[in-house]
Amino acid sequence: GEDVEQSLFLSVREGDSSVINCTYTDSSSTYLYWYKQEPGAGLQLLTYIFSNMDMKQDQRLTVLLNKKDKHLSLRIADTQTGDSAIYFCAENQNRDDKIIFGKGTRLHILP
Amino acid sequence: ETGVTQSPTHLIKTRGQQVTLRCSSQSGHNTVSWYQQALGQGPQFIFQYYREEENGRGNFPPRFSGLQFPNYSSELNVNALELDDSALYLCASSSWQGNSYEQYFGPGTRLTVT
Repeated sequence: GEDVEQSLFLSVREGDSSVINCTYTDSSSTYLYWYKQEPGAGLQLLTYIFSNMDMKQDQRLTVLLNKKDKHLSLRIADTQTGDSAIYFCAENQNRDDKIIFGKGTRLHILP
Repeated sequence: ETGVTQSPTHLIKTRGQQVTLRCSSQSGHNTVSWYQQALGQGPQFIFQYYREEENGRGNFPPRFSGLQFPNYSSELNVNALELDDSALYLCASSSWQGNSYEQYFGPGTRLTVT
């Protein structure tokens, strides 16, 4: 069945790079997403990548996809206190909203 | 800030009761989806509406139903509430334009079933 796994916690020093990892099981996954959820705020789609891509960069965010290993990562360069949040990895087979989410990685920023 | 709003913000209901949650969509989007997020979990897809028709459903029983209106706003109805229905309910409006995808979430409705 479909499953998305990610580690639950990550602590990073302010100014360092954060790398959040994710693995998924469905080889039919065509769209892979990263979301951010801050306490008291809604869920925000940060970025997404198509399965025929290896990498996507958007300002401080870099997404890497290893389709063979079904591994997705999100790198946040120069991590700021405002990056403190829960980050969800997610996947989908189709161009609809039937998106399968992981349980989220809580990113904690150390001063 | 997105144009997706949800009401009410919080709600407390008793087991067996029925509830209706509401969502407005982002201007220009014709798809609305609903997700259930239990504490400490990722969101789970309930269903999706496109141009007033349900066109995708997750593993939720029929007592979860919905509507989409001509202005693309939406309702989620849950009948015969159970304790496990306690969760944050998120609404999202979305649109594909070629290979570009937009999806905006509302702030959610926190439902507590006692």
